[in-house]
Amino acid sequence: SQQGEEDPQALSIQEGENATMNCSYKTSINNLQWYRQNSGRGLVHLILIRSNEREKHSGRLRVTLDTSKKSSSLLITASRAADTASYFCATDAREYGNKLVFGAGTILRVKS
Amino acid sequence: EAGVAQSPRYKIIEKRQSVAFWCNPISGHATLYWYQQILGQGPKLLIQFQNNGVVDDSQLPKDRFSAERLKGVDSTLKIQPAKLEDSAVYLCASSSPKGRYYGYTFGSGTRLTVV
Repeated sequence: SQQGEEDPQALSIQEGENATMNCSYKTSINNLQWYRQNSGRGLVHLILIRSNEREKHSGRLRVTLDTSKKSSSLLITASRAADTASYFCATDAREYGNKLVFGAGTILRVKS
Repeated sequence: EAGVAQSPRYKIIEKRQSVAFWCNPISGHATLYWYQQILGQGPKLLIQFQNNGVVDDSQLPKDRFSAERLKGVDSTLKIQPAKLEDSAVYLCASSSPKGRYYGYTFGSGTRLTVV
């Protein structure tokens, strides 16, 4: 089983709506990161939240972290067609050698 | 700043052939990673370099995969001989000494198809 698992596996919304993706993990972490991957491209770092933080914002992105539930969520507000991509959470945890371990991702499709 | 450069972008080979991928990280980034991403899955770390030394290669199939980072800059990843299950995108990433706090920078990847 994976350290990080995203939910849902796929999400389809209309432009202008909000998109929420969730990530659950198994061990204590140093930090949790979210990445975006457009089709056929590499991953782009979106936001990093440390274990002692509960919420971070970056533009239209809002990330929350609940270490008691070992979960995180990524909210994209006022979505655009250009937000169509796969979104991955990745955890940096001592138990995994302090290297990034990625989940399987959420595929987001924003329809215009 | 220039991004992480990878080549080639695509490669199709027959099973049992060999293949090599090249990566040039961001200037000044001491840490370099090779990830394997199978279709529909998240990236899986194959090997991590710190300058020209290997930090972690626990998930590298060493009977067929090898990697080097001479002079602590460019890196090559080789597969010999390739198997059908090696079909994947091979991603190179680099990070600065504070990369754990600012994330990794990824290249566009090399898509390998083994037929």
